[in-house]
Amino acid sequence: GAVVSQHPSRVICKSGTSVKIECRSLDFQATTMFWYRQFPKQSLMLMATSNEGSKATYEQGVEKDKFLINHASLTLSTLTVTSAHPEDSSFYICSARDSGLSSGRAGELFFGEGSRLTVL
Amino acid sequence: GENVEQHPSTLSVQEGDSAVIKCTYSDSASNYFPWYKQELGKRPQLIIDIRSNVGEKKDQRIAVTLNKTAKHFSLHITETQPEDSAVYFCAATWADQAGTALIFGKGTTLSVSS
Repeated sequence: GAVVSQHPSRVICKSGTSVKIECRSLDFQATTMFWYRQFPKQSLMLMATSNEGSKATYEQGVEKDKFLINHASLTLSTLTVTSAHPEDSSFYICSARDSGLSSGRAGELFFGEGSRLTVL
Repeated sequence: GENVEQHPSTLSVQEGDSAVIKCTYSDSASNYFPWYKQELGKRPQLIIDIRSNVGEKKDQRIAVTLNKTAKHFSLHITETQPEDSAVYFCAATWADQAGTALIFGKGTTLSVSS
């Protein structure tokens, strides 16, 4: 099946530093990727929609200058948490929709493994 | 935008009993309704989905029903087993548009005791 790889799976950083999380679609092209955040015992909250070659669309309440998203190719989107603080500690999960350009599976959505960020 | 409500938030059943989780959605344009199972610290796993052109879908012990008029859909798990214990999320989206994200319900923690 299709695979979405997310890296790193765990990261611990000091307050004030920036952390980059990568999301890759390994065997399909993804024109759109989605970034979710999940706090303990809560649901997945959509943060932003990442579009290849254009600016990301952020959900209400999500600071675009704090959560930088770059989708420079059809297989890679990155989320950078800038000047991280303890309240940013969370489980971040990306998902990618198969564009169907090469696979014929247009529309299927796949999740990365998730990245647990702990800010000290 | 879409809003998905999910109930109950917690559900405890005895092994062998059935479990039912219900969701409602607000956007009548939504046409794809997947259900995910998530174990602690892991990514959500798709367990079953349904599209708006059908009213029911079954896969072994798992079934999903959809009522488009009422805008609600339900997950039914029969003959529950301890390994069914997990958090279950419903979601809704407009699948025809690749740029449309899944919107999730708040989740149901299912506990199956033996």
